[in-house]
Amino acid sequence: DIQMTQSPSSLSVSVGDRVTITCRASQGITSSLAWFQQKPGKAPKSLIYHASSLQSGVPSKFSGSGSGTDFTLTISSLQPEDFATYYCQQYNSYPLTFGGGTKVEIK
Amino acid sequence: EGQLVESGGGLVQPGGSLRLSCTASGFTFSDHYMDWVRQAPGKGLEWVGRVRNKANDYTTEYAASVKGRFTISRDDSKTSLYLQMSNLKTEDTAVYYCVRVTASFFFDYWGQGTLVTVSS
Repeated sequence: DIQMTQSPSSLSVSVGDRVTITCRASQGITSSLAWFQQKPGKAPKSLIYHASSLQSGVPSKFSGSGSGTDFTLTISSLQPEDFATYYCQQYNSYPLTFGGGTKVEIK
Repeated sequence: EGQLVESGGGLVQPGGSLRLSCTASGFTFSDHYMDWVRQAPGKGLEWVGRVRNKANDYTTEYAASVKGRFTISRDDSKTSLYLQMSNLKTEDTAVYYCVRVTASFFFDYWGQGTLVTVSS
């Protein structure tokens, strides 16, 4: 199975800050990497697919990059509605696997 | 825009069975692969399995943790996805989400989830 390792597991930031979350795959997954946002008590929301493509309706303050084994999610100028937990996921091979999540909290 | 609505969750004893349903609307259900993803209380996301479309013979894939106990099926005439769970264990306690898979194999739409609690 491909292991997905996210870092950090949590971070405290201020409104307006730029946030970068990293995700590392235990083996190469080309660009088959997605990012999701989840708020407490809610279903996950799809943000990014193919490592860097925004899902329809997702604001451009979210961006993704990387290929192979190393990926990043960047949120420019964090707003109150962006405080949530973020997950990466590989869909290159079965079983599909998720990272452990990064909780973004208000400082 | 597509919508997915899960139902069928509840309390079940260890060793018991339960069937979850997911009803889709707003898109051509029959074209898409469909997945189940679960989330134990306070934990991260775990992929459960997939059913492909008719063009791919409705074949399935499962996570090792549920293989042999869970069965994913679909009824395209009812635009519905199912998860038959048997021999349930306490570690199967989770919110179960159905998810649409795009033609390029990434997820887009998620349902709101249904809670399954396995406890005596």
